Amino acid sequence: DVVVTQSPDSLAVSLGERATLNCKTSQSVFHSYYKKYHLGWFQQKPGQPPKLLIHGASTRQFGVPDRFSGSGSGTDFTLNISSLQAEDVAVYYCQQYYHAPITFGGGTKVEIK
Amino acid sequence: QVQLVQSGAEVRKPEASVKVSCRASGYSFTDYGIHWVRQAPGQSLEWMGFINVDNDNTQYTQKFQGRLTISRDTSASTAYLELTSLRSEDSAIYYCARGSCTGCYLIDSWGQGTLVTVSS
Repeated sequence: DVVVTQSPDSLAVSLGERATLNCKTSQSVFHSYYKKYHLGWFQQKPGQPPKLLIHGASTRQFGVPDRFSGSGSGTDFTLNISSLQAEDVAVYYCQQYYHAPITFGGGTKVEIK
Repeated sequence: QVQLVQSGAEVRKPEASVKVSCRASGYSFTDYGIHWVRQAPGQSLEWMGFINVDNDNTQYTQKFQGRLTISRDTSASTAYLELTSLRSEDSAIYYCARGSCTGCYLIDSWGQGTLVTVSS
């Protein structure tokens, strides 16, 4: 199975500042036919199901604010929140969906400093 | 809009079974797959399996082979998860989620979750 490792486990950032979340996969998740990395980012607020933010490592899902951006290549990926808002407090998960079984990282908890 | 509405919370004793339903609306049910993902308290997300709603093909993660059945009823736009031989470590929130196409592993929408508690 592909192991997905996220860092840090938690992150405290001041309002309006940048948050950078990291994700590493144990194998490549690049789909050569679609020419995309099969890597997604989800946001989960307390008591709610996860919400898809980013797919293909860098494509924002419809309706997701542009302060969220994804990047990366190879086996290393990043989610950036350019200017943290109070409503961004959540746990963020990355997920690879190239190899079955689908696997998720352990999550990064983002809080306000 | 896409909605996945799951059945209510369940309490079961060890060794019992549970069946959770997931009713879809707002899209053509057979054009997308359904995944099941669970989340134990305070833990990350664990993918359990998937059904291609169009052709009824299923895929299960090896951990649940033999205990898990995923099915669907296209006439009711509903998918089901059945887990047998329950143990305490199966206590979790169980989510159904829509794949972005019939055979796609990308998940784009989630149900509200069903809490399953296994306790003697």
